[in-house]
Amino acid sequence: SQKIEQNSEALNIQEGKTATLTCNYTNYSPAYLQWYRQDPGRGPVFLLLIRENEKEKRKERLKVTFDTTLKQSLFHITASQPADSATYLCALVKNAGNMLTFGGGTRLMVKP
Amino acid sequence: GAVVSQHPSWVICKSGTSVKIECRSLDFQATTMFWYRQFPKQSLMLMATSNEGSKATYEQGVEKDKFLINHASLTLSTLTVTSAHPEDSSFYICSAVRDQETQYFGPGTRLLVL
Repeated sequence: SQKIEQNSEALNIQEGKTATLTCNYTNYSPAYLQWYRQDPGRGPVFLLLIRENEKEKRKERLKVTFDTTLKQSLFHITASQPADSATYLCALVKNAGNMLTFGGGTRLMVKP
Repeated sequence: GAVVSQHPSWVICKSGTSVKIECRSLDFQATTMFWYRQFPKQSLMLMATSNEGSKATYEQGVEKDKFLINHASLTLSTLTVTSAHPEDSSFYICSAVRDQETQYFGPGTRLLVL
């Protein structure tokens, strides 16, 4: 069966460090993968999109990698800040149908 | 740009009543919108795909007669929860597709059925 797995345990890091979140998938051939941020009681906010033929994407302090061989995406936040504390969701799109399938999300806590 | 609004932001209703939730794309047109449901500490689960001018496509296990979707214009989709019951209490989130790839999400609607 198709699965998208994110570490369900919260990730606690110190301010200034790099946070790395993992998204693994099985039995998927996604056309592209997206990362979202979700704060409690709010809808997800789009952060980055990476296509199947791209290895890496950057946006300010954010970096996403996509390894279709390992079936894994890594999401990095450099120089993390307490304001980065939130739940981060990865989502896969199989084809041009736009339908997103979400992972369970990983909660990130950045301590000052 | 790419702002999506939802109304109401929260609603409390009695069991057996119907509740309508609106989803609007404020600064772009969206032929496709999606409706999701999210239970506490769980991820978003897709309920249905709303296409402007045509019938919605529902995911397996979602009752189309209970969750009525209308996408009457390129900026508005509505979800009506009919004869709501306590088990329908959840966080309902819509999204609108822009640029064929990226979904922009609304802020969500918290529904509590007593």
